[in-house]
Amino acid sequence: NAGVTQTPKFQVLKTGQSMTLQCAQDMNHEYMSWYRQDPGMGLRLIHYSVGAGITDQGEVPNGYNVSRSTTEDFPLRLLSAAPSQTSVYFCASRTYRARGYTFGSGTRLTVV
Amino acid sequence: AQKVTQAQTEISVVEKEDVTLDCVYETRDTTYYLFWYKQPPSGELVFLIRRNSFDEQNEISGRYSWNFQKSTSSFNFTITASQVVDSAVYFCALSEAGNQFYFGTGTSLTVIP
Repeated sequence: NAGVTQTPKFQVLKTGQSMTLQCAQDMNHEYMSWYRQDPGMGLRLIHYSVGAGITDQGEVPNGYNVSRSTTEDFPLRLLSAAPSQTSVYFCASRTYRARGYTFGSGTRLTVV
Repeated sequence: AQKVTQAQTEISVVEKEDVTLDCVYETRDTTYYLFWYKQPPSGELVFLIRRNSFDEQNEISGRYSWNFQKSTSSFNFTITASQVVDSAVYFCALSEAGNQFYFGTGTSLTVIP
């Protein structure tokens, strides 16, 4: 199915654990981004990429790493999970001239 | 400072009423884009509309309409004859030069049957 695929959909981590949220798109989009959504905060940009091999920080990058080795994949790594990282994470992609982002279905992460 | 302000946190209307969701933005760029997204209870984010800063024409799509006014930096969204299926959280967003999108905090709309 064409679109943005995020895995897993749900995850519970213990404080201090690390994990990778996967994001893949099959639309050959140049731009990919990771957002987190928290109640009353809207969506905040964590990291983004304008193409393979190029990444940059967004509004709330601390505690997260990304890489973009291929056009299709844009994994988000939590280095040492903290309760403050409990959130819903959305991956999104678009082409340079796209009308808007296509979002994945989200990953609900709980850190205990 | 917030680049996108959605002052209405929650709105409840009775089915068939019209409702307007407000969005005020802030930017110094002359070229920018404004968006509305819908997030139904299932959680996914659905693109509704994009507007560029050079096109102030209002747009209508079925029961949805958007009013873009640069003079007041507003991009309001009106749903006519609301339906229960319109119940969702609606996000307004701004994109300046570059890749970053700035989202508002969202307006939760509940349509009561």
